[in-house]
Amino acid sequence: GAVVSQHPSWVICKSGTSVKIECRSLDFQATTMFWYRQFPKQSLMLMATSNEGSKATYEQGVEKDKFLINHASLTLSTLTVTSAHPEDSSFYICSASRDSVSNQPQHFGDGTRLSIL
Amino acid sequence: GENVEQHPSTLSVQEGDSAVIKCTYSDSASNYFPWYKQELGKRPQLIIDIRSNVGEKKDQRIAVTLNKTAKHFSLHITETQPEDSAVYFCAASKGGNKLVFGAGTILRVKS
Repeated sequence: GAVVSQHPSWVICKSGTSVKIECRSLDFQATTMFWYRQFPKQSLMLMATSNEGSKATYEQGVEKDKFLINHASLTLSTLTVTSAHPEDSSFYICSASRDSVSNQPQHFGDGTRLSIL
Repeated sequence: GENVEQHPSTLSVQEGDSAVIKCTYSDSASNYFPWYKQELGKRPQLIIDIRSNVGEKKDQRIAVTLNKTAKHFSLHITETQPEDSAVYFCAASKGGNKLVFGAGTILRVKS
């Protein structure tokens, strides 16, 4: 159990394009989902916490107008990188947990490799 | 906010030897400490976790120890195998499932 699906796995697009990434919990309801960014050979940097039915909480330094997050249901959160530029190229990973209060394991998606030309 | 430091950044061991990775955290309110294994280009996978009411937890060849007083926790892998080669991340959380990750350790098991 606890499978998280992330789509697409790889995106290559031109500068100025907006890109939407989906994160789905397949076999459980996720009240909270998290979006991370990972640069090569570096750790996971939390971008925002996505709560079903409410606005996302962004980490300091993350532009909320640049990285739009929507968590419309208990099984789906989306991250939209708006007007993407080469510096937005990175590996984006989502995770989901069953409970937003007590500490429950986070289960990660396969990640999306975004390349902006 | 919470800060998690992880050492070493790289670790090479001979197959069959043990590997130890150490992490320290700054926020004494942290109460949940998971360890993730990430192979190149793949998702991080939870391999073991420990909560603050426990000092040690073991799962086959993997064990984690927690010292709340010193605010550090360690991952121990015994009888290492080539398939253990990966990047390992420690993390800490004080609630709300928000994790702060360490910088990662590249483990290479030489056969």
